[in-house]
Amino acid sequence: KNQVEQSPQSLIILEGKNCTLQCNYTVSPFSNLRWYKQDTGRGPVSLTIMTFSENTKSNGRYTATLDADTKQSSLHITASQLSDSASYICVVRGGKNTDKLIFGTGTRLQVFP
Amino acid sequence: EADIYQTPRYLVIGTGKKITLECSQTMGHDKMYWYQQDPGMELHLIHYSYGVNSTEKGDLSSESTVSRIRTEHFPLTLESARPSHTSQYLCASSDPTGATNEKLFFGSGTQLSVL
Repeated sequence: KNQVEQSPQSLIILEGKNCTLQCNYTVSPFSNLRWYKQDTGRGPVSLTIMTFSENTKSNGRYTATLDADTKQSSLHITASQLSDSASYICVVRGGKNTDKLIFGTGTRLQVFP
Repeated sequence: EADIYQTPRYLVIGTGKKITLECSQTMGHDKMYWYQQDPGMELHLIHYSYGVNSTEKGDLSSESTVSRIRTEHFPLTLESARPSHTSQYLCASSDPTGATNEKLFFGSGTQLSVL
């Protein structure tokens, strides 16, 4: 079964600290993986996309990695800010119908001053 | 910021009422989606459209219906709301249409509560 699992479910960190969010998937065949940020009460916003041939990609303080062999991705946030408090959702495109998007349940990140 | 709008943001109604959730985008995207999201859970696709006069059911069975008469407009209707319909409803459109790296642009969502 095509699944996307994220860990931890929730995370609390202090402002200025770094953190890493994990995404493991069993989707096959794999097309791409995208990380979204969802602020409370808002719709998700795309942070970055990882294709099969990419190992790492940065978007400001966000750095995503992909290991297609182990089917794992991570999102690293550097020097966290209060505005980073949100849910981070991992979405994998793939499966027999490559138009299909499989959503993870997200990691709820809270950054405290 | 994406030009996709949903109204209303919040809706509290009684059981049995008919409701329509509005979604409009000004980006000219052909493909549009409706997702349902419960707290702490993943998004579930309930409807999508490839363009005008095209509508398809998603992965999650839903008693709602959709229409796509204009490219920019993709409303969702519940003929008779029930408490089990209480959820957040997110509308999205995608660009570039049909490409494997297409990106979804989401509206802010409608939080529906049926009493």
